[in-house]
Amino acid sequence: DAMVIQNPRYQVTQFGKPVTLSCSQTLNHNVMYWYQQKSSQAPKLLFHYYDKDFNNEADTPDNFQSRRPNTSFCFLDIRSPGLGDAAMYLCATSPLASTDTQYFGPGTRLTVL
Amino acid sequence: AQRVTQPEKLLSVFKGAPVELKCNYSYSGSPELFWYVQYSRQRLQLLLRHISRESIKGFTADLNKGETSFHLKKPFAQEEDSAMYYCALNGGSTDKLIFGTGTRLQVFP
Repeated sequence: DAMVIQNPRYQVTQFGKPVTLSCSQTLNHNVMYWYQQKSSQAPKLLFHYYDKDFNNEADTPDNFQSRRPNTSFCFLDIRSPGLGDAAMYLCATSPLASTDTQYFGPGTRLTVL
Repeated sequence: AQRVTQPEKLLSVFKGAPVELKCNYSYSGSPELFWYVQYSRQRLQLLLRHISRESIKGFTADLNKGETSFHLKKPFAQEEDSAMYYCALNGGSTDKLIFGTGTRLQVFP
């Protein structure tokens, strides 16, 4: 009964080759988040959707894009992955806002060759 | 700027010993504070939040505005408490959490 699902769990791509990570949820939550987490570091918010409203963090590189075609799905597109983009990418949802509990997916580990 | 500091990367204790995982924050207003936990091979999940003022799995955390701290405590650690613990802050009208770098708790038998 997984509530936040991320696919794939492991993704290997080549330097500069576009890659898309996906997240789906069965919770019908309004808010969806994408975090990047590098080894021994805190999860870092890249952007989030409040319903259809997209909120980009000021320091998120332009190389990272996101799409939310409907309530259930959210995608993270990395247009030209660099070696520095290798990380764990976490998707999370919350009912209304981050003052609510966030529910995390298992993450996708991205390797860039 | 909003910031969360967890000074210890690793905390090792024996079963039955008291545990305190430290968290300090930087925020001038009234913060919302959380502890999230990640057990081995599991996803990140909420452990507790300060506004609930509850004890989860024997853990408690009290917000101390004077010391800008939200330390996580448990009087008697169990082996199953071994995990990565993250303190997180929501400091205002934004919809985002600021996470600390995490503390790995190891509880030895």
